[in-house]
Amino acid sequence: EVHLVASGGDLAKPGGSLRLSCVASGFTFSSAWMYWVRQAPGKGLEWVAQIGSRTDGGRTDYAAPVKGRFSISRDDSESTLFLEMSSLTIEDTAVYYCFTRLVTADRGQGTLVTVSS
Amino acid sequence: EIVLTQSPDFQSVTPKERVTIACRASQSIGNNIHWYQQKPDQSPKLVIKYASQSFSGVPSRFSGSGSGTDFTLTINSLEAEDAATYYCHQSNSFPHTFGQGTKLEIK
Repeated sequence: EVHLVASGGDLAKPGGSLRLSCVASGFTFSSAWMYWVRQAPGKGLEWVAQIGSRTDGGRTDYAAPVKGRFSISRDDSESTLFLEMSSLTIEDTAVYYCFTRLVTADRGQGTLVTVSS
Repeated sequence: EIVLTQSPDFQSVTPKERVTIACRASQSIGNNIHWYQQKPDQSPKLVIKYASQSFSGVPSRFSGSGSGTDFTLTINSLEAEDAATYYCHQSNSFPHTFGQGTKLEIK
């Protein structure tokens, strides 16, 4: 079974930082391009960031609202994807999910980030 | 930025019906469109990638078609468990974008 389980979400103050993790299992993580998607309460899906596989150069790309504040990275030895989030704003409040297009998850779990003073 | 427009926004259908959801891109994106299913209070799940490629474990009643600017997700012989919101997503150019979603209600 393919699992993509995100964690690390919490209540943070505006201007604060958080680090999200996504542990993957059931597929060859090191070969997979990975990405983060978020969903604000009651809203649709928004693409956040993407990272290529190491063999493809590990290229990173970001959505405009998070560029310069968020950093995506990966640890292939631990099959884990990360999202370092800084200078958080209220608009970053959302459930964050990780995905790959290599496979579809049998179990996907997001993590809630709430930014509030 | 490429804008994806889905139609309809909402559809109410009966079991065993055939359903099509459309996604139109504001410019040509090849076959770089992917479809997600999000059931109430659940995480989104990829059901189709690159316009028409299916995933192991996704029921065969789900299929996708299209290229360029016009794409379709088809669900044959709808089942009650297919009640969900469906999103299209383009990965042709940055920033990647999503459609606004189509909510499918089963009568």
